[in-house]
Amino acid sequence: GEDVEQSLFLSVREGDSSVINCTYTDSSSTYLYWYKQEPGAGLQLLTYIFSNMDMKQDQRLTVLLNKKDKHLSLRIADTQTGDSAIYFCAETFNNAGNMLTFGGGTRLMVKP
Amino acid sequence: DAMVIQNPRYQVTQFGKPVTLSCSQTLNHNVMYWYQQKSSQAPKLLFHYYDKDFNNEADTPDNFQSRRPNTSFCFLDIRSPGLGDAAMYLCATSRDKGAGNEQFFGPGTRLTVL
Repeated sequence: GEDVEQSLFLSVREGDSSVINCTYTDSSSTYLYWYKQEPGAGLQLLTYIFSNMDMKQDQRLTVLLNKKDKHLSLRIADTQTGDSAIYFCAETFNNAGNMLTFGGGTRLMVKP
Repeated sequence: DAMVIQNPRYQVTQFGKPVTLSCSQTLNHNVMYWYQQKSSQAPKLLFHYYDKDFNNEADTPDNFQSRRPNTSFCFLDIRSPGLGDAAMYLCATSRDKGAGNEQFFGPGTRLTVL
């Protein structure tokens, strides 16, 4: 079955860049997503990338996809204290429509 | 604004006392999902409705049921909550089920079982 893994925790200083990583095992992914979850809240879709793309940039967010290494990353430029949250990568796979497989989440802490 | 609404945001129930969580949507989406998210874990899909067609995940306990009386509303019924059912319950919707159909999440209901 599919397996999606993330590191548990990342701490950065305000103004620095953050890079959150995600690895997966199934190469039949179709779309790959990054969700943000603030304390006590639901999931907010930040950005997504189609599996035939290598990179997508959206303002402060840059998504990189290395299909050979099955590695997805989210870079947040000029990280702010409001970026402190849990970040989940999620994927959809061939024959599974839009059913999401989530990673375990990375808690980002931004220090002033 | 079109959105996914969950009520209540916080629910406290007693061990074994049935509880119902509510989700409504103004997006007119065909698909509605219920996820369970325990502390520091990823959301876990319990079941989903595609229109009136109910789809249960294989490992969803029988204790969890769902109803969708119309397009806008979907309910999660927990027949006999145990302490292990304390979690955040997330509702989501999507226009359809094909690849690329984004899921829109509600704010969640945090369930406490005493």
